[in-house]
Amino acid sequence: AQRVTQPEKLLSVFKGAPVELKCNYSYSGSPELFWYVQYSRQRLQLLLRHISRESIKGFTADLNKGETSFHLKKPFAQEEDSAMYYCALKSHETSGSRLTFGEGTQLTVNP
Amino acid sequence: KAGVTQTPRYLIKTRGQQVTLSCSPISGHRSVSWYQQTPGQGLQFLFEYFSETQRNKGNFPGRFSGRQFSNSRSEMNVSTLELGDSALYLCASSLGHRNTGELFFGEGSRLTVL
Repeated sequence: AQRVTQPEKLLSVFKGAPVELKCNYSYSGSPELFWYVQYSRQRLQLLLRHISRESIKGFTADLNKGETSFHLKKPFAQEEDSAMYYCALKSHETSGSRLTFGEGTQLTVNP
Repeated sequence: KAGVTQTPRYLIKTRGQQVTLSCSPISGHRSVSWYQQTPGQGLQFLFEYFSETQRNKGNFPGRFSGRQFSNSRSEMNVSTLELGDSALYLCASSLGHRNTGELFFGEGSRLTVL
């Protein structure tokens, strides 16, 4: 079975401070990891995926297979980063687009 | 390009009734997935359809079913509604054949069961 854990339901930081949203997973096979974001009154959307190794809106995330983690980081948080963030896992072995989501972290960036 | 469209956006039903939710994917997308979102359980995968065939299924009882039409539009049905079925039902589409994991979500259908 696969599982995604986001230990923090709520995270609050000040503008300009570094932010790290934690994500841990359990899966015995080869996982693909993603971060999805939902801004206020907007749809859930993809933020980034580990295979792309890209930075989106200043956010990066590195897959650490040893620690089974995929933490999302940004060095200087902005107020517009306030949103709900979901970590998600896709099995590489399974056909299709089935994702297992964590319960989400609500990030608030204070001015 | 129009996004994923779900109807109805809001609905209220009573226990024992059944409900049908509709999803129109982005043009050209052949895969449609359904998720149930609740405050306690988060986002739970229901099922995925690709080219009119169910490709994946989550751990939900048989009261939850779905189908996909030749134009890729999908419907999900919940029969014999229970109070615990109250949730936001999200539909997501993707190209389907490349399995990139990038899903495009609709705004959801919020179901309240009284």
